[in-house]
Amino acid sequence: GENVEQHPSTLSVQEGDSAVIKCTYSDSASNYFPWYKQELGKGPQLIIDIRSNVGEKKDQRIAVTLNKTAKHFSLHITETQPEDSAVYFCAALSRHTGTASKLTFGTGTRLQVTL
Amino acid sequence: DTAVSQTPKYLVTQMGNDKSIKCEQNLGHDTMYWYKQDSKKFLKIMFSYNNKELIINETVPNRFSPKSPDKAHLNLHINSLELGDSAVYFCASSQVWGLAPDTQYFGPGTRLTVL
Repeated sequence: GENVEQHPSTLSVQEGDSAVIKCTYSDSASNYFPWYKQELGKGPQLIIDIRSNVGEKKDQRIAVTLNKTAKHFSLHITETQPEDSAVYFCAALSRHTGTASKLTFGTGTRLQVTL
Repeated sequence: DTAVSQTPKYLVTQMGNDKSIKCEQNLGHDTMYWYKQDSKKFLKIMFSYNNKELIINETVPNRFSPKSPDKAHLNLHINSLELGDSAVYFCASSQVWGLAPDTQYFGPGTRLTVL
């Protein structure tokens, strides 16, 4: 089955700096890679996603890059703000059985943006 | 206008008891999921349902029994609760199932504590 590794597990940056979180996946057939942000006491919320036929996607201060050959994808947050502090999860969508699919999540990165 | 809602938010109970968690989505989605997030924040799928039909059962003990009375609801009943069941349980939904990439929307979670 799919295995997703995520690094680093914790990341501390100063406000205004950039943050980068990296993930690798094992199933070359995985075709969809969302990133979720989880604030304390809340459920994960999608912040950006990328499909396997795209190499890069940007939404304001957030960007995601995908390298299918190397099977890794990264989240880039520029001009970080205190409200960016949260746990971030990457995920990969892969075949489960038959035509069913499932999301496999990385282990999460706790991002702390300091003033 | 909550998209995915869960009740209760907190559940504290004794070992051996039976408890249920309810989930409802008002997004008109056909597919719903249950995830378990352990104390290390690791997020793992338990079940997925499409149109009230079980699609994925990710090697979850028989003590866990999901029930989908209609497409908008997916409840989780747990028998004979054990200490290791303590976790945060998230419900999620998506429009599409299968291998087509689609956003999963998560509920706020239910924190289950087994004493």
